[in-house]
Amino acid sequence: EAQVTQNPRYLITVTGKKLTVTCSQNMNHEYMSWYRQDPGLGLRQIYYSMNVEVTDKGDVPEGYKVSRKEKRNFPLILESPSPNQTSLYFCASALGGSAPEAFFGQGTRLTVV
Amino acid sequence: QKEVEQNSGPLSVPEGAIASLNCTYSDRGSQSFFWYRQYSGKSPELIMSIYSNGDKEDGRFTAQLNKASQYVSLLIRDSQPSDSATYLCAVLNTGGFKTIFGAGTRLFVKA
Repeated sequence: EAQVTQNPRYLITVTGKKLTVTCSQNMNHEYMSWYRQDPGLGLRQIYYSMNVEVTDKGDVPEGYKVSRKEKRNFPLILESPSPNQTSLYFCASALGGSAPEAFFGQGTRLTVV
Repeated sequence: QKEVEQNSGPLSVPEGAIASLNCTYSDRGSQSFFWYRQYSGKSPELIMSIYSNGDKEDGRFTAQLNKASQYVSLLIRDSQPSDSATYLCAVLNTGGFKTIFGAGTRLFVKA
């Protein structure tokens, strides 16, 4: 089954404690990206990757890091989480180029206290 | 001005009616436009994409694009209660690598 898998689904953490949200896709997609979704603000892109070792900033990259060492994985790293990073996070993948993010992961609800 | 704007709603329509959802965008060079549906607590799912001016139909859904007016719309015919969701308009920017989403319009279809 074609899918994008995020882990964990829910996470409560404390300010400053480094965390990683994993994202894996099994469709051999070149393009992957991370979004956060907040009420009234919609989905905002954090980082995207066009292929292995190629990443770029989206609209709200501050406080986040990513890496793309393998095609299937695109982890999101919060080195020092803060309460304003409390949000619903989605990973997405697409074939690449002008193809849309046709596949979203299930989402990770992060709370930073 | 937001890059992609949608009326947040909620938009309420009776079952069987046509629901009309609208979206405007600011990047005049955008070439790819999408509509996603998101049920509460779920991830977005792509329902329509449109790349050229005019209408594109897929079942009960019709996407309409007017690049001169920088306007995209989604019509849902014969609306069903199961169509109740938030509909997100998304635009691929001129560079072709960043997708900008609107904040979404909540649709309620009353049985």
